[in-house]
Amino acid sequence: DAGVIQSPRHEVTEMGQEVTLRCKPISGHDYLFWYRQTMMRGLELLIYFNNNVPIDDSGMPEDRFSAKMPNASFSTLKIQPSEPRDSAVYFCASSLKYWAGLETQYFGPGTRLLVL
Amino acid sequence: KQEVTQIPAALSVPEGENLVLNCSFTDSAIYNLQWFRQDPGKGLTSLLLIQSSQREQTSGRLNASLDKSSGRSTLYIAASQPGDSATYLCAVMGTGGFKTIFGAGTRLFVKA
Repeated sequence: DAGVIQSPRHEVTEMGQEVTLRCKPISGHDYLFWYRQTMMRGLELLIYFNNNVPIDDSGMPEDRFSAKMPNASFSTLKIQPSEPRDSAVYFCASSLKYWAGLETQYFGPGTRLLVL
Repeated sequence: KQEVTQIPAALSVPEGENLVLNCSFTDSAIYNLQWFRQDPGKGLTSLLLIQSSQREQTSGRLNASLDKSSGRSTLYIAASQPGDSATYLCAVMGTGGFKTIFGAGTRLFVKA
């Protein structure tokens, strides 16, 4: 398997623009996570899905952030409108049997977002 | 609310030295504790996962221990190598809500 795939790898945009980040989890994994990493706040969980259903979105910072998982092989994280403070690295991760605590999460390479 | 703290924040050691990284957490109600490695500009790679009923896990030169009652874990790296230079993150999965909470990491530099 190719692992978790994220696109784009880098994104530079201007304040106010819409940003869409994409993720393809490892085939067969039933959990998908979106994280944000910054120097100030470290790695934070934004939202996670189980079988395409959002389970916990309490980490989503504001209504400007939204995430969807239309099928088992694709998820998006959208920021609209984007602001400079959204600049961070956004990671997608997937897991199997996450609920049992038996399996780790497999991380993608991340999307580096810079909002000017 | 679960909080995960890692000490030290940064560490520089000469090649060949054995070293210990520390992790502490405030809520002992956990399913597991994991240690991850992150190389600059890359994603996270899982190193070791210790389930709540276990005391330690070993993989090659790495050994991780878990003391749930005291809220502590250590990652022991034997005979360190320059290739071990990276940031090491500790993460705990809580039983309430199944969230995984990460520490800020320890940045390790192994000098050749």
